[in-house]
Amino acid sequence: AQSVTQLGSHVSVSEGALVLLRCNYSSSVPPYLFWYVQYPNQGLQLLLKYTSAATLVKGINGFEAEFKKSETSFHLTKPSAHMSDAAEYFCAVSDYNNNDMRFGAGTRLTVKP
Amino acid sequence: DAGVIQSPRHEVTEMGQEVTLRCKPISGHNSLFWYRQTMMRGLELLIYFNNNVPIDDSGMPEDRFSAKMPNASFSTLKIQPSEPRDSAVYFCASSGLTYEQYFGPGTRLTVT
Repeated sequence: AQSVTQLGSHVSVSEGALVLLRCNYSSSVPPYLFWYVQYPNQGLQLLLKYTSAATLVKGINGFEAEFKKSETSFHLTKPSAHMSDAAEYFCAVSDYNNNDMRFGAGTRLTVKP
Repeated sequence: DAGVIQSPRHEVTEMGQEVTLRCKPISGHNSLFWYRQTMMRGLELLIYFNNNVPIDDSGMPEDRFSAKMPNASFSTLKIQPSEPRDSAVYFCASSGLTYEQYFGPGTRLTVT
């Protein structure tokens, strides 16, 4: 069964600094990978997804993620953090056989002024 | 596009009462998911349906929980009887052929 591990339950950066949120996956078949963002008192919103096309995926709000098969990683990055990026971020994995998606534990991003 | 619709948005009930949460998926989506989110346990998949048929209910905590999907545009999650430890935010999500899931705004359940 597939699974994801998010390294770091809390990440704090200064406004304007690089954002790096780490995600490693485990899957016996080629995975589909996703990043979601959750703002307070809201549902999860899709940021970006990887479905075996380009390994560098661009999403909304200036975020991107790179699929690295050799490292089984799908880290999320943004060159310059904005105060509005403060939220919880979830990495998720599914495979092409079904859409049973498995979520990581989440990483809370804090952006300091 | 209205997105996934959940009702009610907030529910406060007393222990022992029956609670019914409702979900309307995005039109045309063939899969529907129920999740529970708490601080302690994070996001947990409770059950999911494909084409209105329950596929995996292994996440349903116990027999007090039940879910139905009588048609493609409606699903319910019922807790009977409710207990304080059921207090959480319950999310419904739906997906189509492209696999990404679209989440509703959630129902915040408080059982006193």
